[in-house]
Formats: sequence, C-alpha cells, structure tokens
Amino acid sequence: QEKLVESGGGVVQPGRSLRLSCATSGFTFSLFGMHWVRQAPGKGLEWVACIWNDGSHNLYGDSVKGRFTVSRDNSKKTLFLQMNSLRAEDTAVYYCAKTVTMSGGEMDVWGQGTTVTVSS
Amino acid sequence: QSALTQPASVSGSPGQSITISCTGTSSDVGGYNYVSWYQQHPGKAPKLILSDVNHRPSGVSNRFSGSKSGNTASLTISGLQAEDEADYYCSSFTSFSTWVFGGGTKVTVL
Repeated sequence: QEKLVESGGGVVQPGRSLRLSCATSGFTFSLFGMHWVRQAPGKGLEWVACIWNDGSHNLYGDSVKGRFTVSRDNSKKTLFLQMNSLRAEDTAVYYCAKTVTMSGGEMDVWGQGTTVTVSS
Repeated sequence: QSALTQPASVSGSPGQSITISCTGTSSDVGGYNYVSWYQQHPGKAPKLILSDVNHRPSGVSNRFSGSKSGNTASLTISGLQAEDEADYYCSSFTSFSTWVFGGGTKVTVL
C-alpha cells in the first residue's frame, strides 16, 4: 500500500537549518506531485510547499517563501524540505502528502509527521 | 493568503446530520472547484474525505457529502456516529497557485 515516512525533525536553534525527508513506497513516486503541510501545536493545518512530479515547478506558502526549499529525488523515491533561517513560529509537526496528479491537487496519502521545534 | 473561515465547533447527537461551512473568496473557494475536506483524529495524520467539492475517495463513507455555493463550501455528515468526532479542515486551490486551509472545525458527538 502507499506509504510515506517523514524523518529529520528535531530541536534546532533559531536561525539554524534543518532538512526533512519523506521516504515513499507503494506507488510510482515519479508520477505524482507532493506537498508539505505543517501543524503548529494545538493549531490548524498550514500548507507549506508543493513540487511537481518532475521537480519542474515548486510553490511555497508566504510564510516560508525564500527560506524553505522543496526538492525530490525520483530515483530514491524521496521528498525533501530544506528549512533555513528557522524561526520559533516554524515549530510544528511537518507532514508530507501525495497528490493525485502530476502537479498539485488534493492530498490523498499522508505520512505520520515529524516534529520540528525551534527554540534556543 | 488568509485562511478559509470555518466555525470553531459543531456538535450533534448520534443519527443527526450536521453541516460545516468553509468560506473563502472569489480567489479560492469561489473561483475553483478544487475544494477538499480532511478529517483528523487526535494525534493522527489528516485523512482525505472529499475532493473536488463533492467527490468521495474510495473507502470513504457515503455519509459524507459536499457542496458549494459562491464563495462558501459545505461538508455535511449525515447519520452522525461516535467515530465522526474529530477535527475537519477544508482546503482550496487559489489564484496565486497556492493552497489554503480553513482554520478547522471540531465536531463533537453528544
């Protein structure tokens, strides 16, 4: 079955960087766009970024634009989120999610999430 | 891009029907039929329950249905069951080529 497993979360100081990974299995990764979505403690969902199936298009939410970079390695069936200049407000559970098309769209499969805490 | 507006909470008794609204603008909900709904139980990842306003993915109960009028989309849960107690989020594609979520609605089964 389709499965997504995030990793790379942890505690990091403000201003530092962190790279999240999302390992996938059970579907042809190179055919589908992927999203990152985050959820701050006790808060709602916030869309972070989306990448086309071939990596040709990347889209970002306003709160992370210029600081975060989404990328993918189709040969390794893995999605990444490079997070730079981290702020306290980036503290959240980060989910990767698969779309149903080669670009964006609804998120039909989700990982279990990885927790990022930005604190000094 | 502001979050879509949802009521903070909705409640109902078992067997009843409830409706959750999701209000946006002509740049998101009103401009596209790319409205999705997600169910999230505490401590769990979200689950897609409706896409394209009213399309149910395979395996999702037909007690969940969706509609849209103007800038407002709605999720209706009929025959409310204890397992439906969860947080529900709407989401829409936007004219800025981004996605936006609603603030979430906590559904309580009385």
